[in-house]
Amino acid sequence: DQQVKQNSPSLSVQEGRISILNCDYTNSMFDYFLWYKKYPAEGPTFLISISSIKDKNEDGRFTVFLNKSAKHLSLHIVPSQPGDSAVYFCAASQDGSGNTGKLIFGQGTTLQVKP
Amino acid sequence: EPEVTQTPSHQVTQMGQEVILRCVPISNHLYFYWYRQILGQKVEFLVSFYNNEISEKSEIFDDQFSVERPDGSNFTLKIRSTKLEDSAMYFCASSLNSPLHFGNGTRLTVT
Repeated sequence: DQQVKQNSPSLSVQEGRISILNCDYTNSMFDYFLWYKKYPAEGPTFLISISSIKDKNEDGRFTVFLNKSAKHLSLHIVPSQPGDSAVYFCAASQDGSGNTGKLIFGQGTTLQVKP
Repeated sequence: EPEVTQTPSHQVTQMGQEVILRCVPISNHLYFYWYRQILGQKVEFLVSFYNNEISEKSEIFDDQFSVERPDGSNFTLKIRSTKLEDSAMYFCASSLNSPLHFGNGTRLTVT
């Protein structure tokens, strides 16, 4: 099942710089997208989401961009902090809200922010 | 902030044995889920549960799996006869018109 793909298994950035995590999807029926962050020995924690009717959503240091024509979304973290070091999962849903249906996850990208 | 809690954190069992993984979702949530992550692989959807019945299940969720909400607070996943390939992290999640909140998972090791 490759409906959601995160092609970069890892990313390393310097503290204070921008982190850009990418995600591609193949199912045009997806209408809601989410980013989750996961620390070792913990469950995924919701970070930010975007509906397919928008192309950008911002929450503090985190911004998600959606390019529907390219079936691509990205998460920008500015400025990056060492505490942001974690595995980031892209997820997609086609139930209309992403809050009551199943999520399809990408493989995850491990972000390391160096001090 | 309310949390989804899962017990045990680690369960070791022998092949063929039954296991029950337990979860206490966030109290006012109405939608409940089980996901799993085999080591090195994606987080995969298993089942969703709403209004005391399964609303959706994946191909993975075969007759060996069952879910139950035995009272107003617990949500359990039972695997009747475990196989080696059931070894994984199992995550419970819940939601109420909000993004899914996940527990910290139960690591199931089948030997």
